[in-house]
Amino acid sequence: GENVEQHPSTLSVQEGDSAVIKCTYSDSASNYFPWYKQELGKRPQLIIDIRSNVGEKKDQRIAVTLNKTAKHFSLHITETQPEDSAVYFCAASITDKLIFGTGTRLQVFP
Amino acid sequence: DTEVTQTPKHLVMGMTNKKSLKCEQHMGHRAMYWYKQKAKKPPELMFVYSYEKLSINESVPSRFSPECPNSSLLNLHLHALQPEDSALYLCASSRGTATYEQYFGPGTRLTVT
Repeated sequence: GENVEQHPSTLSVQEGDSAVIKCTYSDSASNYFPWYKQELGKRPQLIIDIRSNVGEKKDQRIAVTLNKTAKHFSLHITETQPEDSAVYFCAASITDKLIFGTGTRLQVFP
Repeated sequence: DTEVTQTPKHLVMGMTNKKSLKCEQHMGHRAMYWYKQKAKKPPELMFVYSYEKLSINESVPSRFSPECPNSSLLNLHLHALQPEDSALYLCASSRGTATYEQYFGPGTRLTVT
């Protein structure tokens, strides 16, 4: 079945720096890749997603890139702010369900 | 209404109790999901309902029983749970399955004593 690996598990950056989180998936049939942000005690919130017919998508300070050949996708956050601190989950869709990565705890220090 | 709501927010139950979790959405979504999330872990899919029919059961023990009374409501009936079932139970909905955005409710924090 589908497997999604996510790295790094923790990431600490200085405010204003960029952060990159990477995920790889195993099933070439996966065609939808969302990213969720989960703050402590809160629900996962969809922050950006990409479909397999697109290579890159950007929304203000957040961007996602997809390399279908290599089966990996990445989340890029520029000009990080303390409020970006949270756990980020990538996911890949396969046969009507999402398979989540193991999560990255991002800490942004002022 | 653009939110998924869940009740109760917190639930403490004994191993012999029967309780139910409730999830509601009024976005016209036709797919609804139950996930279980343990601390510091990703959400783990339990059930998927598509057009009010159960389409996926991820080999969940029978002490968890889902129900979809209509397209806006999703219930999870709990009976004879174990302490290891303590977790955050998240409901989600989407316009359809596969490549549609899933929106999560705030979750029910369940503690089994």
